[in-house]
Amino acid sequence: GAVVSQHPSRVICKSGTSVKIECRSLDFQATTMFWYRQFPKKSLMLMATSNEGSKATYEQGVEKDKFLINHASLTLSTLTVTSAHPEDSSFYICSAPRTGLVDTEAFFGQGTRLTVV
Amino acid sequence: AQSVAQPEDQVNVAEGNPLTVKCTYSVSGNPYLFWYVQYPNRGLQFLLKYITGDNLVKGSYGFEAEFNKSQTSFHLKKPSALVSDSALYFCAVRDDNYGQNFVFGPGTRLSVLP
Repeated sequence: GAVVSQHPSRVICKSGTSVKIECRSLDFQATTMFWYRQFPKKSLMLMATSNEGSKATYEQGVEKDKFLINHASLTLSTLTVTSAHPEDSSFYICSAPRTGLVDTEAFFGQGTRLTVV
Repeated sequence: AQSVAQPEDQVNVAEGNPLTVKCTYSVSGNPYLFWYVQYPNRGLQFLLKYITGDNLVKGSYGFEAEFNKSQTSFHLKKPSALVSDSALYFCAVRDDNYGQNFVFGPGTRLSVLP
């Protein structure tokens, strides 16, 4: 079963409104989560690293005031797209690494298709 | 710095034929290599990984990949393709020198023709 749950899977919003996307690790604690954005027929681009208990780390070119990240607990990170515009329409995917005895493996959410009209 | 290249945007193969999706990487430390598959409007699904040990790694749905250190490659293979294998495939690398983040290749779209 899925170990990372992302919600909602699809959302349509009006331009100027804000949208919150949730990412939950279901059976493990994740002090770090990653948020990616995927453009059509393109690879995943890391937007930011969400850190539990501290500020998120944003990649160059990503507006931190537009893409608000809150890592409220060890199992939940949220991405809020504020004052959304049509150019923010995209597929957003979260990921949570789980460290085992040997290595760290990444688990991905199902993705959120955001359409801003 | 770490990077991943997938030289082919698109791979077409007939059903029943073997398939190969290519991946090369660059890391400063030891590479942890992964393959993920993505179906339309879905998140990424894990296929297989190489951490250490045997260079030939077997994964889900009959896929396998061979780690070649000298060529810095990690090509994905399957002996007999299915139409249902048609999807977008991503190679990814994690370098412990750079924390827990994964760097993804640009993706290769696989089309298996009936």
